Amino acid sequence: KNEVEQSPQNLTAQEGEFITINCSYSVGISALHWLQQHPGGGIVSLFMLSSGKKKHGRLIATINIQEKHSSLHITASHPRDSAVYICAAGNKLTFGGGTRVLVKP
Amino acid sequence: NAGVTQTPKFQVLKTGQSMTLQCAQDMNHEYMSWYRQDPGMGLRLIHYSVGAGITDQGEVPNGYNVSRSTTEDFPLRLLSAAPSQTSVYFCASSYDTGTKDTQYFGPGTRLTVL
Repeated sequence: KNEVEQSPQNLTAQEGEFITINCSYSVGISALHWLQQHPGGGIVSLFMLSSGKKKHGRLIATINIQEKHSSLHITASHPRDSAVYICAAGNKLTFGGGTRVLVKP
Repeated sequence: NAGVTQTPKFQVLKTGQSMTLQCAQDMNHEYMSWYRQDPGMGLRLIHYSVGAGITDQGEVPNGYNVSRSTTEDFPLRLLSAAPSQTSVYFCASSYDTGTKDTQYFGPGTRLTVL
């Protein structure tokens, strides 16, 4: 069993739809990271959170420490949100396999 | 600030050749790390450094060497390249240890070993 697991692996949505990506982890954490990797390959940090909820624009990240679970939500999705979203946790950052999101116009 | 820079962007090696992947950051970050990304697998930690003169192994260190003589630079050396090292390599940095601070990633180096 991987220490950090994401679901789904792939997700296709129509523009405007609400998207949820899930991340479960079994490692101890001080913070959980959400990253975005665009088709060009570059990786950008979206959120780092250790409790509760964070919001940036149309992106919302939540974490439940007791359940060892985090979610990334995209509200009013747009084709430019098409990317791979990756969660990471643990003392030396173990990464999930990523969720490939495609938003169709 | 240039952020985290990596060179080269692309590289093709023959089995047994050696090379160094360069990584530099201009944000005065103490923590730097190298990852490899393979199809169908998540990013995996190769080596990391918590400051100049201090390095340690990650999850997949075999076949790679690192050194950290300055805060800014963290090169990754392949002493004798193997086809299994074909991958995309990312360097990252942060102020604090990797899990406690925002990670800044370089653009990546795509390496092919024939």
